Amino acid sequence: EVQLVETGGGLVQPGKSLKLTCATSGFTFSNAWMHWVRQSPEKQLEWVAQIKAKSNNYATYYAESVKGRFTISRDDSKSSVYLQMNSLKEEDTAIYYCTPSFAYWGQGTLVTVSS
Amino acid sequence: DIQMTQSPASLSASLGETVTIECRASEDIYNGLAWYQQKPGKSPQLLIYNANSLHTGVPSRFSGSGSGTQYSLKINSLQSEDVASYFCQQYYDYPFTFGSGTKLEIK
Repeated sequence: EVQLVETGGGLVQPGKSLKLTCATSGFTFSNAWMHWVRQSPEKQLEWVAQIKAKSNNYATYYAESVKGRFTISRDDSKSSVYLQMNSLKEEDTAIYYCTPSFAYWGQGTLVTVSS
Repeated sequence: DIQMTQSPASLSASLGETVTIECRASEDIYNGLAWYQQKPGKSPQLLIYNANSLHTGVPSRFSGSGSGTQYSLKINSLQSEDVASYFCQQYYDYPFTFGSGTKLEIK
């Protein structure tokens, strides 16, 4: 059974940083292309970032809205993917989901950016 | 960016009915389209990928069709457990983009 557990969310002030973790099991993580997707309080879904597998040189891609502020990374030995979020803005407030090629989704972790 | 225009925004139908949700891309996405179901308080779940392929475990009353810029999701024999929001998504080109969703209710 595929399992994805996102952690690391919380309340943070604008300009601060937060690191999300997604621990996975039930599939061959090392071969998976992993994504972070977020859902705003208005329920709009937005793709955030992707990291490909080692065979693809761990290539990364970002939405324009987070480029330069967020960094996606992975640890194949831990079957985990991460999202380092810096210079957070109020508009980054959302539930953040990790997903392998959009086929399976975790329960998400809530990030609230507010002073 | 490829814009995804989804319609209708909300839909009310009776049990047993057939409903259709449409999604229009701002350019050809060559069947790089997925449909998701999201029940209240839950995460999105993949229903359809590659425009018309049923994801593992998804009931056969769900089907997808379309090509080019026009795609649709059809739900046959509507059941109470189908109450949810439905989203389309293109993954043909970066950045991957989603439709704004359709909220389906039972009449």
